[in-house]
Amino acid sequence: DAKTTQPTSMDCAEGRAANLPCNHSTISGNEYVYWYRQIHSQGPQYIIHGLKNNETNEMASLIITEDRKSSTLILPHATLRDTAVYYCIANNNNDMRFGAGTRLTVKP
Amino acid sequence: DTEVTQTPKHLVMGMTNKKSLKCEQHMGHRAMYWYKQKAKKPPELMFVYSYEKLSINESVPSRFSPECPNSSLLNLHLHALQPEDSALYLCASSPRLGGGNEQYFGPGTRLTVT
Repeated sequence: DAKTTQPTSMDCAEGRAANLPCNHSTISGNEYVYWYRQIHSQGPQYIIHGLKNNETNEMASLIITEDRKSSTLILPHATLRDTAVYYCIANNNNDMRFGAGTRLTVKP
Repeated sequence: DTEVTQTPKHLVMGMTNKKSLKCEQHMGHRAMYWYKQKAKKPPELMFVYSYEKLSINESVPSRFSPECPNSSLLNLHLHALQPEDSALYLCASSPRLGGGNEQYFGPGTRLTVT
């Protein structure tokens, strides 16, 4: 897995977009970027993944830079229920090794 | 059905006990995983099964013994554990190994070793 670097913590106001950055400067050409989140005491939840192109689903958008060295997860309208630890992983075999992640706190 | 179930939810065992954790999925997934998560830490990969065969063992001590009896079921047999093995044990599944496959996680079994 390519090493990923994420901020330790971030705050976001409820209703605003949450933009979570991830640096993966050593990513190889066949490694996907995955995002998972873990709400306290629950199992991790898959959010989105992408290889080269930007991706969007019902939960979030993933923006990957053209050189693929970094990406941003966007939660378009954050709610209090989005408070969680968000993990960014670069991997090509789906054997995920989680880093420390970003603790996102959504505030009223 | 995108659910991965794990039983039991909680388990307390002594260091001389033998117990098993169970994980089940009915999504037709052919890759299944065990993770261990200590408090305030990220999940750590333990084992990966692909098509019912052990594909990855992350140098896990032999007191943890995985088993995949069929494509829907994954067990983790526990024997002679230590108190430091107390953790949340998470199971996950994905359609298969290889890039581009998302993992679905169960809620975990919280294990306490006394």
